[in-house]
Amino acid sequence: QQQVKQSPQSLIVQKGGISIINCAYENTAFDYFPWYQQFPGKGPALLIAIRPDVSEKKEGRFTISFNKSAKQFSLHIMDSQPGDSATYFCAAYNQGGKLIFGQGTELSVKP
Amino acid sequence: DAGITQSPRHKVTETGTPVTLRCHQTENHRYMYWYRQDPGHGLRLIHYSYGVKDTDKGEVSDGYSVSRSKTEDFLLTLESATSSQTSVYFCAISPRGEGQETQYFGPGTRLLVL
Repeated sequence: QQQVKQSPQSLIVQKGGISIINCAYENTAFDYFPWYQQFPGKGPALLIAIRPDVSEKKEGRFTISFNKSAKQFSLHIMDSQPGDSATYFCAAYNQGGKLIFGQGTELSVKP
Repeated sequence: DAGITQSPRHKVTETGTPVTLRCHQTENHRYMYWYRQDPGHGLRLIHYSYGVKDTDKGEVSDGYSVSRSKTEDFLLTLESATSSQTSVYFCAISPRGEGQETQYFGPGTRLLVL
């Protein structure tokens, strides 16, 4: 029940395309859903986050879509750029104060 | 990296030796965390601290211990390193509290156990 399942494991997108990464969870007590971006050799950095009382949050080219009834959320990267090439992690925060991470998606944006 | 440093950044050690990793923060955040990152597993919580001398276990705590004698420092010790503990270790900090769930990560320590 504490798992967060992320797909796909890897993704190749052409420059200018849309990158979509999906996550699913089981525990309805999760109440905060962040996405982290990680470049090689660096620590993960918060990219965007959403709470379950909204269905969508947009920040620049990055959008989180949240479906509470399906217990799914996704990250959309519009107009993907080579500089977006990184590993992306979804996560869910439980009321015990712990972040549960998905397995990660390695995104490669081809020029 | 949000005022977080980790030391050492790289370490090679031998099986059976003790290893201590240090996390230092300048943000005065109450919560500190140790994660390990392995391919296909994302980030997994080892231990965390919710105050000086207050710590608790995470998902993968076996073989690890932690200590926090000052707000700014959180130490992770591998009592007797094994090859399965070869990994990249990340420290994270968080202010916690209402609307403060975000965790900020350090640059990581790459550990190789031979």
